Amino acid sequence: AQSVSQHNHHVILSEAASLELGCNYSYGGTVNLFWYVQYPGQHLQLLLKYFSGDPLVKGIKGFEAEFIKSKFSFNLRKPSVQWSDTAEYFCAVENAGNNRKLIWGLGTSLAVNP
Amino acid sequence: EPEVTQTPSHQVTQMGQEVILRCVPISNHLYFYWYRQILGQKVEFLVSFYNNEISEKSEIFDDQFSVERPDGSNFTLKIRSTKLEDSAMYFCASREQRGTLNEQFFGPGTRLTVL
Repeated sequence: AQSVSQHNHHVILSEAASLELGCNYSYGGTVNLFWYVQYPGQHLQLLLKYFSGDPLVKGIKGFEAEFIKSKFSFNLRKPSVQWSDTAEYFCAVENAGNNRKLIWGLGTSLAVNP
Repeated sequence: EPEVTQTPSHQVTQMGQEVILRCVPISNHLYFYWYRQILGQKVEFLVSFYNNEISEKSEIFDDQFSVERPDGSNFTLKIRSTKLEDSAMYFCASREQRGTLNEQFFGPGTRLTVL
């Protein structure tokens, strides 16, 4: 069965610290990979996505993620976090077929202290 | 910017009652989804809907659940006889079209509390 694991459930950082959130998935076929973010009181919104091509993808607000196929990983990074990055971060994977339902990780709650 | 909307934001109901959760997807989108998140657990896929029919459903989506697109704009999730374990945040999502490099757009969610 497909599954997604996020290694860090709660992360607390100070502003300007670097961030890396781990995400691993299990699925044998072709996948599309996503990071969604949910700021307090707001919708889930797309941070970045990978479909094919350059495995290093850049998203909004200075975030990037690297797809390492051999490790089934799609880790999220940001060199210097800000207080406004405080949010819940979700890694999600979809099969590249027609229905493309999303399989989700548990989420990581990030708190950035000013 | 167009967005997915959901109503109500919070629904409280008694066990055994029927509830209907409403979603208005983005207007030119063709694929629709419902997901739910029980407190402290992962977001789970419930059902996908395309061309006025269910295209895939999960094991969670049993006979108590149904979806409908009654008027070309709304997309509803009905739970016929709610159980305590149906308490969760329910998210609706929509996607532009199949087979292209696009993502799902999510609504703000409806928090369902079953007492």
